[in-house]
Formats: sequence, C-alpha cells, structure tokens
Amino acid sequence: EDQVTQSPEALRLQEGESSSLNCSYTVSGLRGLFWYRQDPGKGPEFLFTLYSAGEEKEKERLKATLTKKESFLHITAPKPEDSATYLCAVQGPMDSNYQLIWGAGTKLIIKP
Amino acid sequence: SAVISQKPSRDICQRGTSLTIQCQVDSQVTMMFWYRQQPGQSLTLIATANQGSEATYESGFVIDKFPISRPNLTFSTLTVSNMSPEDSSIYLCSVEAADGSSYEQYFGPGTRLTVT
Repeated sequence: EDQVTQSPEALRLQEGESSSLNCSYTVSGLRGLFWYRQDPGKGPEFLFTLYSAGEEKEKERLKATLTKKESFLHITAPKPEDSATYLCAVQGPMDSNYQLIWGAGTKLIIKP
Repeated sequence: SAVISQKPSRDICQRGTSLTIQCQVDSQVTMMFWYRQQPGQSLTLIATANQGSEATYESGFVIDKFPISRPNLTFSTLTVSNMSPEDSSIYLCSVEAADGSSYEQYFGPGTRLTVT
C-alpha cells in the first residue's frame, strides 16, 4: 500500500539552529515527491518537486534531497518566519490518476 | 506557476443548506483537484475534475453530496450539499501546472466552512 510518513510530528528549534525533517515513502512508480509549507488558515505553498533519487533542490534556507525510500528537508540557520507546518506528498503513476498521497506534516516552531 | 483564487474565503452556514465554492485559475489547466482539510489534519482528496469529463470521486465522497462543475480550463466549483457540522472544514482547490518537463501542484488559499 502506498504510504507517506513524516517525522518528527513537531520540532522546536532556536533561531539559527539547523535541522532536518524526514519524509519516508512507499509508492509503486514514483512520479514525483512534493514539499509544501502551510501557514495556519492558509493553503499549502509549493516549495519543491523531486523526481529521482540523488536529486537536490534549494530555496533560501531550505534544501530538499531524495533517495529511493525517503526525502529530507534541511533547514539551515532558521528564522522565526520559517515557523510553519511542512507537508510532504508523493505522486504515483498515471493509473492512480496522479493522486497525491500526503504525510501528516511536521510542525516547525522557531523560537527567537 | 499558477495563481488560484477561491470564493468565499470563509462562511458560516446552517445545517441542511448548501454552499458552492468557486475556484479561479490565472492560466488554463487540465487537472484540477478539490481537497478537504479538517483542523489539525492533513489533506484528503475529494475529487479530480478534468475539463470535458465527469469528476472522479475518491472513496468516501459521492457526487450527490459534493457535486462539481468544470465548465472550462480556468474555473471549477464544488458544492457542499445538505451540510452537517461534520462538513466543517477547510476546502482547497488545487491545479497541476507544467513547466517544461517539470510539473507542480498549486493550491488556492482555501475556504473555511463552519456549519452550525
């Protein structure tokens, strides 16, 4: 069964303290792995799509990496404005109607 | 990228009534999706709406309860019918946009529905 597991559920960091969020997945025929940021009361904001193992993408203080079993979202020297819930989703092949399978998210809190 | 707007942004409705949520995209897209997100939970796909065909509903969601229209490549509506308090949730519209060989899914700001 296709599945996405994110860890930890919540993470509290001091401003400037780097860390990583994990997204483990099982899916038959990965079309893409997506990372989103979601602020309370708002829709998810697209961050990255990763397509194949070994791929990396960066945006400001965020860097996403992908292996055959998991993805990491590395956050370097975070600031309080990076506080949000980070969602991971994987997309299967066409016969699943390209449905996204979502993780439960990691709530990140950066304390000043 | 794609910019998505939703109307209304929020509403408080009485039990037994219906609400239609509109989703407008700033570019033509083939695939549009409707999601529900209950407080503190992740996203649950309600249905996929492709222009020119009937919407495809996920397990647990039916057309009578959540009718969807997709009249063109930039617009869709989701109706929540005969509402009950269990329908209180955030409803999100999403589209898949291609950029060369890459593709990305973008979300609207959501409609926060409270049913009393």
